[in-house]
Amino acid sequence: KQEVTQIPAALSVPEGENLVLNCSFTDSAIYNLQWFRQDPGKGLTSLLLIQSSQREQTSGRLNASLDKSSGRSTLYIAASQPGDSATYLCAPPTGGGSNYKLTFGKGTLLTVNP
Amino acid sequence: DAGITQSPRYKITETGRQVTLMCHQTWSHSYMFWYRQDLGHGLRLIYYSAAADITDKGEVPDGYVVSRSKTENFPLTLESATRSQTSVYFCASSRGNEAFFGQGTRLTVV
Repeated sequence: KQEVTQIPAALSVPEGENLVLNCSFTDSAIYNLQWFRQDPGKGLTSLLLIQSSQREQTSGRLNASLDKSSGRSTLYIAASQPGDSATYLCAPPTGGGSNYKLTFGKGTLLTVNP
Repeated sequence: DAGITQSPRYKITETGRQVTLMCHQTWSHSYMFWYRQDLGHGLRLIYYSAAADITDKGEVPDGYVVSRSKTENFPLTLESATRSQTSVYFCASSRGNEAFFGQGTRLTVV
């Protein structure tokens, strides 16, 4: 069974800081890993998808890395802004064929203060 | 419109009633999922489906039933609603790589 842990559970930073969110998982037999953002009362928005053959994926100020062998992924946010305040979730899929599914961590609640 | 749509967005029902939450996607994605999200528990998988007529239990399936007669639809039924099923329910779809989520259904059982 895939277990996903996200550290820290909550993070409060001043605007402009660079920050790192961590995700660790127990089953490294994954095809890819997806990072999501969730605003309060809203659904999940996909931020980045890293394929298992990649080590990094970038989108704007976001950079995600994946180390399958150690069961870790990191989301780096550069020059944080108040609009980045949200909960960030990682989801490494496991299984294949009819057993393919996503398991989530509990997320990191990020607050960026103006 | 293309995407994944859940209905209703909000629902209040009484204990013991049957209620169905709808999920529709327009991408013809093979995989579809139902999650519930509760404070302190995060997102927990209820049921998932790899294709039409193929479904399987997730982490918390008790009290729920799903069907998938068509690729684009994946309804979730609470056979006899209980207060512990008060939650926010999310549907998602994927073709095996990137997953996309619906807006969620906030269900309150009174």
